[in-house]
Amino acid sequence: AQKITQTQPGMFVQEKEAVTLDCTYDTSDPSYGLFWYKQPSSGEMIFLIYQGSYDQQNATEGRYSLNFQKARKSANLVISASQLGDSAMYFCAMREGYSGNTGKLIFGQGTTLQVKP
Amino acid sequence: DSGVTQTPKHLITATGQRVTLRCSPRSGDLSVYWYQQSLDQGLQFLIQYYNGEERAKGNILERFSAQQFPDLHSELNLSSLELGDSALYFCASSVAGTGGFYTFGSGTRLTVV
Repeated sequence: AQKITQTQPGMFVQEKEAVTLDCTYDTSDPSYGLFWYKQPSSGEMIFLIYQGSYDQQNATEGRYSLNFQKARKSANLVISASQLGDSAMYFCAMREGYSGNTGKLIFGQGTTLQVKP
Repeated sequence: DSGVTQTPKHLITATGQRVTLRCSPRSGDLSVYWYQQSLDQGLQFLIQYYNGEERAKGNILERFSAQQFPDLHSELNLSSLELGDSALYFCASSVAGTGGFYTFGSGTRLTVV
């Protein structure tokens, strides 16, 4: 069964430092997509970054990068130069492969990140 | 504004009651997804509609039902509510039925008392 695991319930980082949020996944489908979302205390879900299983390079979006290690089935989010506004819950999610004929996402349990001034 | 509109934003109701949550997808999006976020279950996929038809079903209780109308807006109906149904209910939309990028609404926070 497809599964996303985030083993860090909570993390602290000093402002301006980099932080890595861990995510491992399990799937038998060769085609899949991996997503990271940010959920601030206000509750909305904000898309951060996407990595496709066939993408050759790690995805980057501004201060966000995804450390994709396919053989280890990990998709860690790296936030560089942390800002106070980065304090939020972060979710890793996986979309089933095209064989599933659906766009549903499976989410991990989330990691709460707190940025210290 | 993400383009996905969910109403109401907050809802407080008593056990045993029935409520309807509404979602208007982003313009041009044909797929609507419903998710439930609770403290104990995390974010759980409930159901997906694509262009008016049910595409996928997740761990949706029999007390819950949904539909997507010809104008593509969707409603999630929750009946015989229990305290455990208290959660944040998200709607998301995408252009395609099998992938693409989601746009999430801001959610409806349901409190059952």
